[in-house]
Amino acid sequence: DTAVSQTPKYLVTQMGNDKSIKCEQNLGHDTMYWYKQDSKKFLKIMFSYNNKELIINETVPNRFSPKSPDKAHLNLHINSLELGDSAVYFCASSQQFDTDTQYFGPGTRLTVL
Amino acid sequence: DQQVKQNSPSLSVQEGRISILNCDYTNSMFDYFLWYKKYPAEGPTFLISISSIKDKNEDGRFTVFLNKSAKHLSLHIVPSQPGDSAVYFCAAKRRAGGTSYGKLTFGQGTILTVHP
Repeated sequence: DTAVSQTPKYLVTQMGNDKSIKCEQNLGHDTMYWYKQDSKKFLKIMFSYNNKELIINETVPNRFSPKSPDKAHLNLHINSLELGDSAVYFCASSQQFDTDTQYFGPGTRLTVL
Repeated sequence: DQQVKQNSPSLSVQEGRISILNCDYTNSMFDYFLWYKKYPAEGPTFLISISSIKDKNEDGRFTVFLNKSAKHLSLHIVPSQPGDSAVYFCAAKRRAGGTSYGKLTFGQGTILTVHP
């Protein structure tokens, strides 16, 4: 009965590859997010979708492309991976866009070699 | 430009004593503040929050204090328990609109260790 789930939990890949991280929430929430936790441990928002519509798009390289096939899913596709993409990526959801509390997935640790 | 900062990377406390975690912010437009707790290999979970119209919010052993003039908030845990050992993240948002509307801005976290 996991509320927000992500796959895979760990991802190790070579520079230049393309990879995807999947996120699903079973809370019935309208809004989903992707965060990146960098080497300095800050959690920074990357994207947010509300009812499958992109509403937040921070300054992120266009190698990163989110896709929301439906309200319960928000996937993150990364093209031409670089060393600096190594981080922990967290998916989150909230009931609505202006709801204060966000619920986070367990994170995906991406390592680019 | 980090708008939310937690300047203590770690804090070690004896069981039963008070834990005080601190957070500073620079954006005066932030009007809602949250604390999240994170265990290893898990995502952050919501702990407690406070609106800028208040200066204190209490929930059981957890109390958050907000000093708007100093742009500072703190989380007090009394009494501290070994199960409280985790990373604590402070976060801020702007509820009322503008470019930051809806976004959570996080600090870098403080590792709390509570010793038995």
